[in-house]
Amino acid sequence: GNSVTQMEGPVTLSEEAFLTINCTYTATGYPSLFWYVQYPGEGLQLLLKATKADDKGSNKGFEATYRKETTSFHLEKGSVQVSDSAVYFCALSSKVNTDKLIFGTGTRLQVFP
Amino acid sequence: IAGITQAPTSQILAAGRRMTLRCTQDMRHNAMYWYRQDLGLGLRLIHYSNTAGTTGKGEVPDGYSVSRANTDDFPLTLASAVPSQTSVYFCASSAFTGTGDGYTFGSGTRLTVV
Repeated sequence: GNSVTQMEGPVTLSEEAFLTINCTYTATGYPSLFWYVQYPGEGLQLLLKATKADDKGSNKGFEATYRKETTSFHLEKGSVQVSDSAVYFCALSSKVNTDKLIFGTGTRLQVFP
Repeated sequence: IAGITQAPTSQILAAGRRMTLRCTQDMRHNAMYWYRQDLGLGLRLIHYSNTAGTTGKGEVPDGYSVSRANTDDFPLTLASAVPSQTSVYFCASSAFTGTGDGYTFGSGTRLTVV
């Protein structure tokens, strides 16, 4: 069945460091891929998405490229800020008669000044 | 402001008691979902509804029931709460376009069963 695997956290970085959070997926067909962010005490918010192979989603300095050949959707940011500290979830939607999302387990990012 | 409202925001519940978590959306989204979030397990789908009048089971439906009498409301009921149902519960909705546009989430209900 469909699944999402993301790297274990926490990821601890200093401000202005480069961020990569790995995400790989298993799916039939051509899923849409998402990154959601959860700030402390809040619900999840959509950060970015990509709906087909080679698409790049981007938002707030974060980017992720849909790589069908490696079944990956790694999240990157060139220079993180303390305010980026949150839990990041990778997710996929199979788009076949459903909008249901399957989530990874989440990766906590901690950024220190 | 359009979005999803969940109530209560938190609750401590005695084991064996019945509890209904409320979820209301004002975006006229067709599909709604209930997830539970547990440390190390991410978000797991409990129940979903693709449109008013229909519901379906997710990954972890046991001990929970839902109803979808209209487009806006999607309550989640725990008939007889157990400590393993201690979790943070999130309601979400989507337009159900079949193109995977993603969800809008509520702020969650933190439930503790003692």
